[in-house]
Amino acid sequence: DAKTTQPPSMDCAEGRAANLPCNHSTISGNEYVYWYRQIHSQGPQYIIHGLKNNETNEMASLIITEDRKSSTLILPHATLRDTAVYYCIVSSSNYGGATNKLIFGTGTLLAVQP
Amino acid sequence: GAVVSQHPSRVICKSGTSVKIECRSLDFQATTMFWYRQFPKQSLMLMATSNEGSKATYEQGVEKDKFLINHASLTLSTLTVTSAHPEDSSFYICSASRGVTQYFGPGTRLTVL
Repeated sequence: DAKTTQPPSMDCAEGRAANLPCNHSTISGNEYVYWYRQIHSQGPQYIIHGLKNNETNEMASLIITEDRKSSTLILPHATLRDTAVYYCIVSSSNYGGATNKLIFGTGTLLAVQP
Repeated sequence: GAVVSQHPSRVICKSGTSVKIECRSLDFQATTMFWYRQFPKQSLMLMATSNEGSKATYEQGVEKDKFLINHASLTLSTLTVTSAHPEDSSFYICSASRGVTQYFGPGTRLTVL
C-alpha cells in the first residue's frame, strides 16, 4: 500500500502557483520523498525529490516539514501543460545506492484552468 | 540526461501469442530496472524488479512464468508476455534507476485480440 495521502484533485489558475500537499506521517528516517507526474497516456515524469531539506530545480520546489511528516510540491507558475496526475511517493535506497521500488498511490489530478 | 526508451510503443497481437517489450536506458547504465502495468483510470502497479545478471523479483500475484523478464545488460531489460490473453491488454511501463532516482519510459500499449 502507498504510504502517502494526497487530495484526489485540485484546480489552479494558469500563471498562478500550484501548491500540492502530501502527507507521509509514517515516513522512515532513510526514506526520500519523490514527486512524479503523469500526463495522460505517457510514462511518469520525474519532478523532484528530497530527504530533509527543501529542494528546488527548474521544474518545481519541494518543501518538507521539519518533522518530515508532510510535504508540498510547488509549481511556481502553472501552465496548461502542467495538467496531470501528480504522485507523491516515499522510498528508500538500497545498499547499492539505487532507489528501491516505488509504490504509486492514486495521486492528485491537477487541472490548470485558463 | 536520464532518458529511458521503450519499444514498441504500441502492439496488437492475437490471443495465445507472445509479445516482447524492450526497455533501454539510453544515456546511463542501470543495474536495476522495474516493470509496471497500468489499467485504464488506475494507478501504476509494480510488477517486478529486474536486476542485471540475476533473476527478477516479482510482486505478489504476478505470474513469473507468464511475464518473463530478462536483464542481460546494464542498459536493456525485456518483458515477454507469454500466451497473451485479452485480460493482459494494458499499458506497460518500465523504469531504470540512476542513483536514488527512477526514470520512466514512455510506455507500451498492448492490445490482445
